[in-house]
Amino acid sequence: AQSVTQLDSHVSVSEGTPVLLRCNYSSSYSPSLFWYVQHPNKGLQLLLKYTSAATLVKGINGFEAEFKKSETSFHLTKPSAHMSDAAEYFCVVSDQGSSASKIIFGSGTRLSIRP
Amino acid sequence: ETGVTQTPRHLVMGMTNKKSLKCEQHLGHNAMYWYKQSAKKPLELMFVYSLEERVENNSVPSRFSPECPNSSHLFLHLHTLQPEDSALYLCASSQDSNSVPRNEQFFGPGTRLTVL
Repeated sequence: AQSVTQLDSHVSVSEGTPVLLRCNYSSSYSPSLFWYVQHPNKGLQLLLKYTSAATLVKGINGFEAEFKKSETSFHLTKPSAHMSDAAEYFCVVSDQGSSASKIIFGSGTRLSIRP
Repeated sequence: ETGVTQTPRHLVMGMTNKKSLKCEQHLGHNAMYWYKQSAKKPLELMFVYSLEERVENNSVPSRFSPECPNSSHLFLHLHTLQPEDSALYLCASSQDSNSVPRNEQFFGPGTRLTVL
């Protein structure tokens, strides 16, 4: 069975400092992993995805994530936070080749940026 | 128009009303989804239409009824809703297949539903 855990419901950082949003997963097979961002009153937008190619994945807006199989983690990072990064972030896991219904969303991490 | 569109963006309805939410995708995808997003709860998958298969979350009440007339359009018919059904309803699409890897979903902006 697959599952995903976002370890922090809320993260607050100062503008210009690094961002770390943590995600751990469990999967029976080779997983596909995604990070989405949701700004207030908007739909979800894909930031980046891992699908068994390079373990370090670069996404939009300067975000990147590293797939660590030994730690079953897929943490999202950014070297320098910007005010526009304030949003809700979702980690998503899906076993490759599984039914379309087996897409599991984490509970989300709200990122706040202090001026 | 590109991407995934949803109408209406906002809807207020009484418990005895019947209304429908509409979703349209302009991406040529073969799978469409309805999600419910409530405050302080994880995103809840309600229905999936994929590769001609319909999958539903067994916990979704029968007062929600999906319809997918073709691969580009998805509806969610609502009747005799309850106040706890107030939420943001998100539609998504993807290009699904039985082979690897899993493709990402593209989301619409959502319909903010308020049930009085």
